[in-house]
Amino acid sequence: DGGITQSPKYLFRKEGQNVTLSCEQNLNHDAMYWYRQDPGQGLRLIYYSQIVNDFQKGDIAEGYSVSREKKESFPLTVTSAQKNPTAFYLCASSDRVLSYNEQFFGPGTRLTVL
Amino acid sequence: AQKVTQAQTEISVVEKEDVTLDCVYETRDTTYYLFWYKQPPSGELVFLIRRNSFDEQNEISGRYSWNFQKSTSSFNFTITASQVVDSAVYFCALSSSGSARQLTFGSGTQLTVLP
Repeated sequence: DGGITQSPKYLFRKEGQNVTLSCEQNLNHDAMYWYRQDPGQGLRLIYYSQIVNDFQKGDIAEGYSVSREKKESFPLTVTSAQKNPTAFYLCASSDRVLSYNEQFFGPGTRLTVL
Repeated sequence: AQKVTQAQTEISVVEKEDVTLDCVYETRDTTYYLFWYKQPPSGELVFLIRRNSFDEQNEISGRYSWNFQKSTSSFNFTITASQVVDSAVYFCALSSSGSARQLTFGSGTQLTVLP
């Protein structure tokens, strides 16, 4: 089945620790995205990538880092510099970023920093 | 800058009632797309519809219908004969060339359908 997988579904970390969220897609999509969702709010773009080895900052990139070494993978690292990392993180992909194609979303990772 | 407003934070209806979710958008671009996504309790966003700025025809898909009106910058979503399985958060989103075609999401409307 084609789709996007994110792991783990729930993640707990101590304050001050870096943590990496996994995102894999087998849709052969060029573009991938990371969003953050806080309670009662819409999704905010953290980073996006149009192609392997290239990525761009979104609206709230501070305290986050990404890599795109393979087309199917786009991991997100939440660093200790992120002031309030507890949130729901969604990964998405689309055929191309410079288009109006719909984005397909993964099931999300809920990160709680203790 | 572009913006999407979903003024209804939460709506509760009884099963079989019709319900309309409002979406108002702002953009300076003449070419843009509007989207609706559904987020069930599982968390994954599910794509429902995409509409371009040059097509103001209303669309119906089963119990779902969408009313796009450029004159009022609105793209409302109606569910007819609602069902408990329709309970979810619904997001309206906008993409335009002026924003590098990135999606801007509204804050979402939590719909609860009671049996």
